[in-house]
Amino acid sequence: AQRVTQPEKLLSVFKGAPVELKCNYSYSGSPELFWYVQYSRQRLQLLLRHISRESIKGFTADLNKGETSFHLKKPFAQEEDSAMYYCALVTNAGKSTFGDGTTLTVKP
Amino acid sequence: GAGVSQSPSNKVTEKGKDVELRCDPISGHTALYWYRQRLGQGLEFLIYFQGNSAPDKSGLPSDRFSAERTGESVSTLTIQRTQQEDSAVYLCASSLAGTSGRVGTQYFGPGTRLTVL
Repeated sequence: AQRVTQPEKLLSVFKGAPVELKCNYSYSGSPELFWYVQYSRQRLQLLLRHISRESIKGFTADLNKGETSFHLKKPFAQEEDSAMYYCALVTNAGKSTFGDGTTLTVKP
Repeated sequence: GAGVSQSPSNKVTEKGKDVELRCDPISGHTALYWYRQRLGQGLEFLIYFQGNSAPDKSGLPSDRFSAERTGESVSTLTIQRTQQEDSAVYLCASSLAGTSGRVGTQYFGPGTRLTVL
């Protein structure tokens, strides 16, 4: 069975500092990986997906199949990045598994 | 256009009662997911519908939970004989099928907060 692990429940950084939210997964097949974000009082929404290889709001994430990781990074955190972040894996059968989430707080 | 909607937004019920939660996906989205999110925890997969295929029910926690979907439209999640541990936010998401049949981005509804007294 697939599994997604986000080891940090809470992460706090100062504005302008780099930030990395960790995500590790286990799945025997070829996964699709996503980062979703939930800002205060908003719906859960997509931040980025690995197949797009794009940067959204300054965030990037690289799929490392050797380390089975999909860490989310941003070089200079902003206060508006404060939110709950979820890493998600979708199997080739469409089954979706989310991590427990990391609450990011960016302090001024 | 309209996003995913869920009703009711809040539901308070007594232990032992049945509840029915509704999800209206984005029109044209073939895939639909239900999740449960307990306080302070992540999203727990419950069930997945994809087009006319048999649903993946592997996440349903007990036979008190069931879900139906009418074609590629509305879905209802039913919890029978509710228990206090069923208290949670129930989220619905819909998606287009992605490339190679894979599911694409999931679009989430606002959730239904269920409280079982």
